[in-house]
Amino acid sequence: KQEVTQIPAALSVPEGENLVLNCSFTDSAIYNLQWFRQDPGKGLTSLLLIQSSQREQTSGRLNASLDKSSGRSTLYIAASQPGDSATYLCAVTNLSTDKLIFGTGTRLQVFP
Amino acid sequence: ETGVTQTPRHLVMGMTNKKSLKCEQHLGHNAMYWYKQSAKKPLELMFVYSLEERVENNSVPSRFSPECPNSSHLFLHLHTLQPEDSALYLCASSQDRTQQPQHFGDGTRLSIL
Repeated sequence: KQEVTQIPAALSVPEGENLVLNCSFTDSAIYNLQWFRQDPGKGLTSLLLIQSSQREQTSGRLNASLDKSSGRSTLYIAASQPGDSATYLCAVTNLSTDKLIFGTGTRLQVFP
Repeated sequence: ETGVTQTPRHLVMGMTNKKSLKCEQHLGHNAMYWYKQSAKKPLELMFVYSLEERVENNSVPSRFSPECPNSSHLFLHLHTLQPEDSALYLCASSQDRTQQPQHFGDGTRLSIL
């Protein structure tokens, strides 16, 4: 059964820092991996999607990497800003079921 | 504007009430999803509809009853819910079942008294 774990559960950093969020999954038979952002009281916004054949994806200050064989992904946020404060969720799509399996998220606070 | 609209945003109901959650998307997507998000637990997939047909029912209790009358609308009918059903219910859509990313609505915050 696929399990997705995110570390740390919460993170508080000063503005301007570069930071790394971690995601690990137990079954490497995945279709893709996604990183989402969730603001309080809101739904999820897809940030980056990495297909299983890819190693990384970049969008602006965000870079996500995927090491499928070791079951790990990282989300790198460069030059963090207070507007980056949110919960970041990692999810994998299982090859066998097409289901999105989510982690519990990392709650990020960037203070001025 | 997420493209996926959910109503109501908040709902408080007693255990004996019957209510419905509504989800609407005008993105031209063919697949729609219901998820449950409880505090400190991962999002749980409840139901998947593809081309208005239910293709996934993730062992959800029968007190939750989905309905997809057309490709743009998805409902979740609720009756005789339990306190542990209090959660954020999120709707999502995607081009088809295997196409990502899924686009999410802002959810309905449900509280059961």
